[in-house]
Amino acid sequence: AQKVTQAQTEISVVEKEDVTLDCVYETRDTTYYLFWYKQPPSGELVFLIRRNSFDEQNEISGRYSWNFQKSTSSFNFTITASQVVDSAVYFCALSEAPDKIIFGKGTRLHILP
Amino acid sequence: EAGVVQSPRYKIIEKKQPVAFWCNPISGHNTLYWYLQNLGQGPELLIRYENEEAVDDSQLPKDRFSAERLKGVDSTLKIQPAELGDSAVYLCASSKDGTAYEQYFGPGTRLTVT
Repeated sequence: AQKVTQAQTEISVVEKEDVTLDCVYETRDTTYYLFWYKQPPSGELVFLIRRNSFDEQNEISGRYSWNFQKSTSSFNFTITASQVVDSAVYFCALSEAPDKIIFGKGTRLHILP
Repeated sequence: EAGVVQSPRYKIIEKKQPVAFWCNPISGHNTLYWYLQNLGQGPELLIRYENEEAVDDSQLPKDRFSAERLKGVDSTLKIQPAELGDSAVYLCASSKDGTAYEQYFGPGTRLTVT
């Protein structure tokens, strides 16, 4: 069975600090996809990244970076030099089959000015 | 390109009343998903449509929930009668080719049952 654990329920940091959101997943498949989504107060889920299980390269996009480690079944997300606009709920998700995604419970991130 | 549209954005009803949510997917997207998001939780799939056909409704509580997607475009999710525990956000998403990898989500409908 697939499972996604986001142990951090809520995090608060001061603006410009770096922050890492943790994600641990469980799957028996060798082929799977991992995702991060952002849910701002407006409610819609905004896609941030998708990573397949065969690509362990870390990725950087502006102030965002992702660290995928199969050895520890983790897919962590770091925001560098955080900004108030980064305040949102962030979801990590896992897909073993192309037609279904399982989401974690989310981490609520507060960036304090 | 317009995104996924949902209405209403907010709905407050008394328990035992019926309620309906509407979703208009992105143009050209054949696959439509309805998700339930309880407070402090991630979204959970309720039902998935491929065109007009509900291909996965295993998580839809069929005693009180129903959904339809006439003509394979817009979709309506209905609850009758609503219970207090149905208070949640109902999210609609769509994708072009049936893969959840490229889902686009709407803003959701926040339902409060009193």
